Amino acid sequence: DAEITQSPRHKITETGRQVTLACHQTWNHNNMFWYRQDLGHGLRLIHYSYGVQDTNKGEVSDGYSVSRSNTEDLPLTLESAASSQTSVYFCASSGGGRARGGGMEQYFGPGTRLTVT
Amino acid sequence: QQQVKQSPQSLIVQKGGISIINCAYENTAFDYFPWYQQFPGKGPALLIAIRPDVSEKKEGRFTISFNKSAKQFSLHIMDSQPGDSATYFCAAHDYKLSFGAGTTVTVRA
Repeated sequence: DAEITQSPRHKITETGRQVTLACHQTWNHNNMFWYRQDLGHGLRLIHYSYGVQDTNKGEVSDGYSVSRSNTEDLPLTLESAASSQTSVYFCASSGGGRARGGGMEQYFGPGTRLTVT
Repeated sequence: QQQVKQSPQSLIVQKGGISIINCAYENTAFDYFPWYQQFPGKGPALLIAIRPDVSEKKEGRFTISFNKSAKQFSLHIMDSQPGDSATYFCAAHDYKLSFGAGTTVTVRA
């Protein structure tokens, strides 16, 4: 069965370190998204991609970067981890093209809980 | 600021009762309104969705009511069951999804 996986599931890191969270999907979806989930804020979009070599900033992109070299993977990098980046991170994917319908039915991974000390 | 406002933050309902969650938006470019259900330790999962040309959509015990003129939509959970205890997020789509803050529903047996 097609799925979307994230690794690691839990990560503790120190302030200032670079951290990369992995996201891998086998849906063959064009579109991939990274969100962070914090109490009282719901899910906030960090970065998204509508295809290989395409990346775009979301509403809370400062301190994060992504690159898309193939269809299946969209790793999220925290360049210099800060305590404010302690959160649960979710990756999602959806089918369709870059046109307006492309981000509608999103399938989410299980999440990565990141703690920055 | 949050483009989709969701209320209440939490609610408790007795088994067999009705849970109602409300959402409001301002952006008239939104063209698709999904609801996601999330259990503790899991990722959100698409529950039900509606397009703005429809006023109501029902799937089993879950119903979305949509009021385009008021720019509001709501999720009704009929005959609520303990297994419905979860966090529910409304969302709205233009070229991406914007999520509400979430509602934690607890169904008491």
